[in-house]
Amino acid sequence: GAVVSQHPSRVICKSGTSVKIECRSLDFQATTMFWYRQFPKKSLMLMATSNEGSKATYEQGVEKDKFLINHASLTLSTLTVTSAHPEDSSFYICSAQSGTSGSGFASYNEQFFGPGTRLTVL
Amino acid sequence: RKEVEQDPGPFNVPEGATVAFNCTYSNSASQSFFWYRQDCRKEPKLLMSVYSSGNEDGRFTAQLNRASQYISLLIRDSKLSDSATYLCVVNTPTGGFKTIFGAGTRLFVKA
Repeated sequence: GAVVSQHPSRVICKSGTSVKIECRSLDFQATTMFWYRQFPKKSLMLMATSNEGSKATYEQGVEKDKFLINHASLTLSTLTVTSAHPEDSSFYICSAQSGTSGSGFASYNEQFFGPGTRLTVL
Repeated sequence: RKEVEQDPGPFNVPEGATVAFNCTYSNSASQSFFWYRQDCRKEPKLLMSVYSSGNEDGRFTAQLNRASQYISLLIRDSKLSDSATYLCVVNTPTGGFKTIFGAGTRLFVKA
């Protein structure tokens, strides 16, 4: 299957700082990338969907000014957690999908997940 | 009602047992269905897609019942390595197509 990488895999930061997480599709072009957050023993919660070259679509309750998403190329999306607080500590996972969300075609496409980034805010 | 519901378990079974998980979804217009497996502190990985006709991959069988809006996963001859959380995933036409994950069913297979 396709490979998606995430960097860093683990980050510990102080409260108030910003953290950038990168998600890369290594062997395919991902027109759509998704960002999820998962708290311990909980389900993955979709935070936002990003299509290359356009603004991300955020899920209800997710602050777009706090979680900045940039999908500048077909192989790279970044999530920046701004002014991080301890409650932002979580497992952040990206996934990549070929095709365009909303087209109908993409609904049948598998999502390939990155290995996740464990964020701890002190 | 949650859009995708699963019994969280945990299911504790001995090696060699057969175990079945069900998952229900609320949107009858949902179009594609998957089972993912997630190991502790790892990312989810696709186990199998679920087709209307049902599909089987080795010890794993997935079924879809559109009338009752549920999908199932059957694992035969359980192995220790099957211990994981199994996520039911549904693509549903909400604001474009949205992928919704169930909370997962935890399986522990013991020797």
